[in-house]
Amino acid sequence: QVQLVESGGGVVQPGTSLRLSCAVSGFTFSTYAIHWVRQAPGKGLEWVALISYDGSNKYYADSVKGRFTISRDNSKNTLYLQMNRLRGEDTAVYYCARSFGGGYNNGMDVWGQGTTVTVSS
Amino acid sequence: ETVLTQSPGTLSLSPGERASLSCRASQSVSSNYLAWYQQKPGQAPRLLIYGASSRAPGIPARFSGSGSGTDFTLTISRLEPEDFAVYYCQQSVGSPPYTFGQGTKLEIK
Repeated sequence: QVQLVESGGGVVQPGTSLRLSCAVSGFTFSTYAIHWVRQAPGKGLEWVALISYDGSNKYYADSVKGRFTISRDNSKNTLYLQMNRLRGEDTAVYYCARSFGGGYNNGMDVWGQGTTVTVSS
Repeated sequence: ETVLTQSPGTLSLSPGERASLSCRASQSVSSNYLAWYQQKPGQAPRLLIYGASSRAPGIPARFSGSGSGTDFTLTISRLEPEDFAVYYCQQSVGSPPYTFGQGTKLEIK
């Protein structure tokens, strides 16, 4: 069964750090690009970051560039999102999602259930 | 960055009716790299359409996508009760950042 499971969310204070994980099973992780997408409470979807199948290419939304780092460990079938200097506007449900067809351009066909990050003092 | 504008914000229809949802891009979406998603409360999004008009695996035939350039449409031919949800379009032209529209809520009239 194809599955992505996020973890690592929680309540943190502004300015602090958090690392999210996304454990993958049921498909060959090392052949797919993977995205992070977030959704603030009551709001729409926001694309956050993308990493290529081998980790050699990484892309970020302007809103997180310089603060967040996407990475992957293909030997552990796990994706990560290191989030530093967190702000209130980073409060959201964070989803990892598989890029459909392996490339970048055909949407995201498998999603995790999401992990909630709350940034509040 | 390509901005996607969806309309209407909310669409009120009855089961059995036809739904047409619009997504307009601020610049041309080349190669039709436009996808549509459905999201129900408390759930992750589900890919419906990719490449502007191709149904994702397992998606019922009542869902169809059309359009090119800057104007795209998601059509649901006959609404089923389970189709009432929020729908998002998303572009993935070239290298990121990739953007989503703000969503259209399809509600029961």
